[in-house]
Amino acid sequence: GAVVSQHPSRVICKSGTSVKIECRSLDFQATTMFWYRQFPKQSLMLMATSNEGSKATYEQGVEKDKFLINHASLTLSTLTVTSAHPEDSSFYICSALGGFNYEQYFGPGTRLTVT
Amino acid sequence: GQQLNQSPQSMFIQEGEDVSMNCTSSSIFNTWLWYKQDPGEGPVLLIALYKAGELTSNGRLTAQFGITRKDSFLNISASIPSDVGIYFCAGQRDAGGTSYGKLTFGQGTILTVHP
Repeated sequence: GAVVSQHPSRVICKSGTSVKIECRSLDFQATTMFWYRQFPKQSLMLMATSNEGSKATYEQGVEKDKFLINHASLTLSTLTVTSAHPEDSSFYICSALGGFNYEQYFGPGTRLTVT
Repeated sequence: GQQLNQSPQSMFIQEGEDVSMNCTSSSIFNTWLWYKQDPGEGPVLLIALYKAGELTSNGRLTAQFGITRKDSFLNISASIPSDVGIYFCAGQRDAGGTSYGKLTFGQGTILTVHP
């Protein structure tokens, strides 16, 4: 149990376009989901906390107008990278808080490449 | 944002050897977690520690929650090739409200196991 999926697993887009990444908790409900960003050979950096039915809470230095987060249901949160630039290329990972032990379960990640 | 100080950054060991890695922080955490990440995947939880001084095992893995609540270590005994990956420690403060569940990650330890 406690499976989190992400879609797509990989995406390539052109500069200036927007990309949406989905995060789903498949077998449990999650009122709270988190979005992380990971550059090669680096650790996970928290971008924002997504709470179902309310506005996301962004970490310092993360542009909320550029990284739009929508947590419209208890099993789905989306991250939209708007007006993407090459420096937005990264590995984006979501996690969902819940399950039997109310722990944080991570998705498999989405590799974004902006050309 | 704040990161935990995790060491060593990388380890190259022979199959069968034991491995030890640790994390330290200047501030207190209420929960310590250890994750393993394979290339191109999201982190997978190995061990969760909830109480200062707690020593917990999961197969060949053993982790301890430091008595000061500012550190934790992870030991892997009798390493095997599939132990290869990046190991992250993470601390959670459980501050409540919108901060509940937020994790702070260490920089990671890259483990290479030679057959």
